[in-house]
Amino acid sequence: EAGVAQSPRYKIIEKRQSVAFWCNPISGHATLYWYQQILGQGPKLLIQFQNNGVVDDSQLPKDRFSAERLKGVDSTLKIQPAKLEDSAVYLCASSSITALFYEQYFGPGTRLTVT
Amino acid sequence: GNSVTQMEGPVTLSEEAFLTINCTYTATGYPSLFWYVQYPGEGLQLLLKATKADDKGSNKGFEATYRKETTSFHLEKGSVQVSDSAVYFCALSGPPYQLIWGAGTKLIIKP
Repeated sequence: EAGVAQSPRYKIIEKRQSVAFWCNPISGHATLYWYQQILGQGPKLLIQFQNNGVVDDSQLPKDRFSAERLKGVDSTLKIQPAKLEDSAVYLCASSSITALFYEQYFGPGTRLTVT
Repeated sequence: GNSVTQMEGPVTLSEEAFLTINCTYTATGYPSLFWYVQYPGEGLQLLLKATKADDKGSNKGFEATYRKETTSFHLEKGSVQVSDSAVYFCALSGPPYQLIWGAGTKLIIKP
């Protein structure tokens, strides 16, 4: 079974530029998560999708961050404009709706550096 | 609200030493508990889980027991290897289908 795919793996941009990250979850997984992980901290949930609907985006900075999950499969997370404090690893995870115990499967992440 | 507290790192041990990483939680109801591991440059992987009180999760020589009376889920391994060097995260389940994460504990194993 293929895992969660993310691209790019690394991105360096200047502040005020825009950037987009892509995620392809495990086939059949209805729930998709985007996390922000700042160095030395645990993951912070940005947004949670169930199929193509948003379940929770309460911690998403909506003035600069946006995310979509068209057709309930792939997802894109965008930052526009980026700030220095957005430097972090952005993790995508997916989970099956039938998973009784909240197991989440993670992609390798995208390391973003904002200069 | 629900929360997870882990011991601060880094934890530095010699190869073949005994490992304990403490994790305590605050939660209403009966959450499931997890340990995830993050190797350098990689995403998080589920290491083990326990879904009810007194359950013991185990994988790759690691163990953790769900202790409701002490609200703890400490991670243990009898003999660590250099390859166990990673960051370990304790987490508990929260609605809806979300995980509440600890801050992570970095483990460094020296040969």
